[in-house]
Amino acid sequence: GAGVSQSPSNKVTEKGKDVELRCDPISGHTALYWYRQSLGQGLEFLIYFQGNSAPDKSGLPSDRFSAERTGGSVSTLTIQRTQQEDSAVYLCASSKATDTQYFGPGTRLTVL
Amino acid sequence: AQSVTQLGSHVSVSEGALVLLRCNYSSSVPPYLFWYVQYPNQGLQLLLKYTTGATLVKGINGFEAEFKKSETSFHLTKPSAHMSDAAEYFCAVRRGTSYGKLTFGQGTILTVHP
Repeated sequence: GAGVSQSPSNKVTEKGKDVELRCDPISGHTALYWYRQSLGQGLEFLIYFQGNSAPDKSGLPSDRFSAERTGGSVSTLTIQRTQQEDSAVYLCASSKATDTQYFGPGTRLTVL
Repeated sequence: AQSVTQLGSHVSVSEGALVLLRCNYSSSVPPYLFWYVQYPNQGLQLLLKYTTGATLVKGINGFEAEFKKSETSFHLTKPSAHMSDAAEYFCAVRRGTSYGKLTFGQGTILTVHP
């Protein structure tokens, strides 16, 4: 079956611009997670959704970061006024409740 | 709070040799433990996991890991390395029977020489 998909695969933007990253989870998976992978910080948790609600946003690094999930499916991670330190690979994962997380291929964000 | 330490950011082995990637964790509650592998420009793929029960768990591609509570370790092994095992490996911990936020180690890059 189809796995987790993310788009775009690569995004290059200028400092100060807003970007939106999309995640399509595996069908039927109620939980969705966003992580960030960067050279300096490794793999960091950003936010977790159960259905459409986000009980844990503790990993969002600043108020420039936000995420939403609609219809219990697709999620969008938005970064406003991007900074160079936002450059990273953004990974999305989904799971059934608290089961194993399956990861997408990631979106590589480069902020110039 | 939970944390994971992977000893050795780079490990190099010869093809056919034993692979041993070390992982130690810290958790205030019973942990669930995972090993993921990441090939270049790809996402993370689950190798194996420990939740409850048998402490020696077997995964894909001939890998296995043993949960040792007394040593707070979850080391990953494979008896005979193959060239295709070259990748980056991540150990992760999660609170057991709770929501699924993963805390990852810094990763270990495995190089396999002919």
